[in-house]
Amino acid sequence: DAGVIQSPRHEVTEMGQEVTLRCKPISGHDYLFWYRQTMMRGLELLIYFNNNVPIDDSGMPEDRFSAKMPNASFSTLKIQPSEPRDSAVYFCASRRTGLHYGYTFGSGTRLTVV
Amino acid sequence: AQRVTQPEKLLSVFKGAPVELKCNYSYSGSPELFWYVQYSRQRLQLLLRHISRESIKGFTADLNKGETSFHLKKPFAQEEDSAMYYCALTVGPGAQKLVFGQGTRLTINP
Repeated sequence: DAGVIQSPRHEVTEMGQEVTLRCKPISGHDYLFWYRQTMMRGLELLIYFNNNVPIDDSGMPEDRFSAKMPNASFSTLKIQPSEPRDSAVYFCASRRTGLHYGYTFGSGTRLTVV
Repeated sequence: AQRVTQPEKLLSVFKGAPVELKCNYSYSGSPELFWYVQYSRQRLQLLLRHISRESIKGFTADLNKGETSFHLKKPFAQEEDSAMYYCALTVGPGAQKLVFGQGTRLTINP
């Protein structure tokens, strides 16, 4: 298993541009999570899905952020328009239902908005 | 409100010394607690979960419900233990939402 796969690994974009981050969860995992990591705030949960359905998006900072999961093997996090304060590392994680299963994280996307 | 507190942002110890990274939580239900480790610019990796009561890389953690703590311990630190450590708690419907503490950066000095 290749684990949780995120792309791109690094993204540098200009303020005002649209940014799309991608995630492929582990096959068979029915939960998918998007986190943002910054020095100031640490790890923040943005949104999570169960069986492709968004369950809790209370962590999404603004309407500029949106996330979709069109099928069990793919999710996107979109920022439009991007701002410098969005610069962070964005992690995707997936999990299988059940107390004995941990969360598996992707390598993250380091986003820099200039 | 559900919360995880790691009181130390930075912790520095010498190689061979004991290490204890503190974690306290607040949660009204039965908590499911984890420790994750992040080596320099890498992905987060699961280190421990309290339900399995296992020892990984010499680290152990015991859930103390009376003190609402889940401190991470290792008797003899090694240089390769230098990393960022996060304590986390699952909350919400079905306890699927993972909430992290602010993290502790552990540095092991030679």
